[in-house]
Amino acid sequence: NAGVTQTPKFQVLKTGQSMTLQCAQDMNHEYMSWYRQDPGMGLRLIHYSVGAGITDQGEVPNGYNVSRSTTEDFPLRLLSAAPSQTSVYFCASSYFGQTGYTFGSGTRLTVV
Amino acid sequence: AQTVTQSQPEMSVQEAETVTLSCTYDTSENNYYLFWYKQPPSRQMILVIRQEAYKQQNATENRFSVNFQKAAKSFSLKISDSQLGDTAMYFCAFWWNNNDMRFGAGTRLTVKP
Repeated sequence: NAGVTQTPKFQVLKTGQSMTLQCAQDMNHEYMSWYRQDPGMGLRLIHYSVGAGITDQGEVPNGYNVSRSTTEDFPLRLLSAAPSQTSVYFCASSYFGQTGYTFGSGTRLTVV
Repeated sequence: AQTVTQSQPEMSVQEAETVTLSCTYDTSENNYYLFWYKQPPSRQMILVIRQEAYKQQNATENRFSVNFQKAAKSFSLKISDSQLGDTAMYFCAFWWNNNDMRFGAGTRLTVKP
């Protein structure tokens, strides 16, 4: 049982480049979310999904896109990377949100 | 807007002793859930304990317990018999019915031998 798998674990991008952070879960969870973690600010919600074909914005959605074509996968796309997007990104999933989330191991992204 | 505040950026405790981490939150919701997550140096986020707001009984998980004061909007975590492996960042989190789990800024706990 792999849980929530995020790739890559580390990435360095140049300003203006685009990339996709991958997230997959094998627990048949309907709820999936993307968070970013910055020092002194905890985790902030970027986008979330309550099922295949359904996505919505969180607290800090600007500069990011998501899609949910299957229950298992929830990729996060950075359209044009900026230094302000340097952060650690976490994908999380849950059967019901109130049961608590299972987190992936995170992606450390640096934009230079 | 829902907010979560952890007023202790850093704390330390001697091995085998007890420590309490503080968390307060602000909400107008009545039905919600509260969580404590642990993030060790490995960066993995690990669910420690969960509390349902409609339950008055405080949740416990082995050495971890909470003091939930709904009227005061307070949700502290008590770690008993602290172990070196408890060294980590601890995040308090609040969830209600719109899929947005709000996190506090975290408390860095160091357990000293």
